[in-house]
Amino acid sequence: EAGVAQSPRYKIIEKRQSVAFWCNPISGHATLYWYQQILGQGPKLLIQFQNNGVVDDSQLPKDRFSAERLKGVDSTLKIQPAKLEDSAVYLCASSQSSGRTGELFFGEGSRLTVL
Amino acid sequence: GEDVEQSLFLSVREGDSSVINCTYTDSSSTYLYWYKQEPGAGLQLLTYIFSNMDMKQDQRLTVLLNKKDKHLSLRIADTQTGDSAIYFCAENNGNNRLAFGKGNQVVVIP
Repeated sequence: EAGVAQSPRYKIIEKRQSVAFWCNPISGHATLYWYQQILGQGPKLLIQFQNNGVVDDSQLPKDRFSAERLKGVDSTLKIQPAKLEDSAVYLCASSQSSGRTGELFFGEGSRLTVL
Repeated sequence: GEDVEQSLFLSVREGDSSVINCTYTDSSSTYLYWYKQEPGAGLQLLTYIFSNMDMKQDQRLTVLLNKKDKHLSLRIADTQTGDSAIYFCAENNGNNRLAFGKGNQVVVIP
């Protein structure tokens, strides 16, 4: 079974530029998550989708971050304009909506460096 | 609250047991988890425990849950070099929204 795919793996931009990350979840997984992991910290949930609807985006900085999952499969996370404090690894995860145990399957992440 | 607290670093000799601790604040969490993150990789679920359990054993892993103190621990028996990683505890705040601790880096010394 193919895992969660993310791209690009690495991205370096200057502040005030924009960047987009792509995620393709495990086939059949209805729920998709974007997490931000700053160096030395645990992942922090940015947004959670159920199919193509947003379940929780309470911690998404909506003035600069946006995310979409238009067809309920793959998803894009955009940052515009980027700030220095956005330097982090952006992890995408997916899960089965019927999974009671809440097991999330994570991609390898997209590491963003903002200069 | 969704704060999950963990200590930061543990070194252990190969073959010894290692214990990682975590405290959480949301007493309504139904499941609590331990995830493992190897360098350059995403997180991988190691084990989980349902909130009505005190202990769960899974091969070399033992999870202890003290709901009164909101304390979760993970014991790894016969620690191997492949166990070197960062370990995160997490709680389920509903709708499979997981809140993670800061992680505990385990270094296994051969």
